[in-house]
Amino acid sequence: GAVVSQHPSWVICKSGTSVKIECRSLDFQATTMFWYRQFPKQSLMLMATSNEGSKATYEQGVEKDKFLINHASLTLSTLTVTSAHPEDSSFYICSARKDGLFSNQPQHFGDGTRLSIL
Amino acid sequence: SQKIEQNSEALNIQEGKTATLTCNYTNYSPAYLQWYRQDPGRGPVFLLLIRENEKEKRKERLKVTFDTTLKQSLFHITASQPADSATYLCALVQGSGYALNFGKGTSLLVTP
Repeated sequence: GAVVSQHPSWVICKSGTSVKIECRSLDFQATTMFWYRQFPKQSLMLMATSNEGSKATYEQGVEKDKFLINHASLTLSTLTVTSAHPEDSSFYICSARKDGLFSNQPQHFGDGTRLSIL
Repeated sequence: SQKIEQNSEALNIQEGKTATLTCNYTNYSPAYLQWYRQDPGRGPVFLLLIRENEKEKRKERLKVTFDTTLKQSLFHITASQPADSATYLCALVQGSGYALNFGKGTSLLVTP
């Protein structure tokens, strides 16, 4: 159990395009999901915390108008990279934590989306 | 500022040996620490969680220690296999929420 599906796995598009990435918890409910970004040879960096039914919480330095997050259901969060530019090229990874458990529980990660902006 | 440091140099060991990876942290008072495995082009996979009142935790060939005085966790893989080759990430909860801060990870290569 505890499977997180992320789609698409790979996107190549032109500069100025908006790209939507989906993150689904397949077999559990997740009020809270997280979006991370990872550059080559670097650590995962938290971008934002996605909360079902409310606004996302963004980390310092992450533009909320650039990276739109929608968490409309207990199993789906989406990240839209608006007007993407080459510097937005990265590996985007989502994670989810199961509802109803204590805080000291692992997170379950999707397999990431490789975004390449030409 | 909060920091998580892992040896960024790749660790190369021979099959059958024990691999030991180190995670040091500063400006944290964690209630627990987590270890994840990440393969190239994939998301992290949870391996082990150890609480502050646990000195050691084991799962099959994996062993984790947690020394809150030294602010250090050690991750051991015994009888290592080529399939254990991956990047191993140490993670701590960030702030008051549940989001994780990760170290850069240590790349492990196990050769036959």
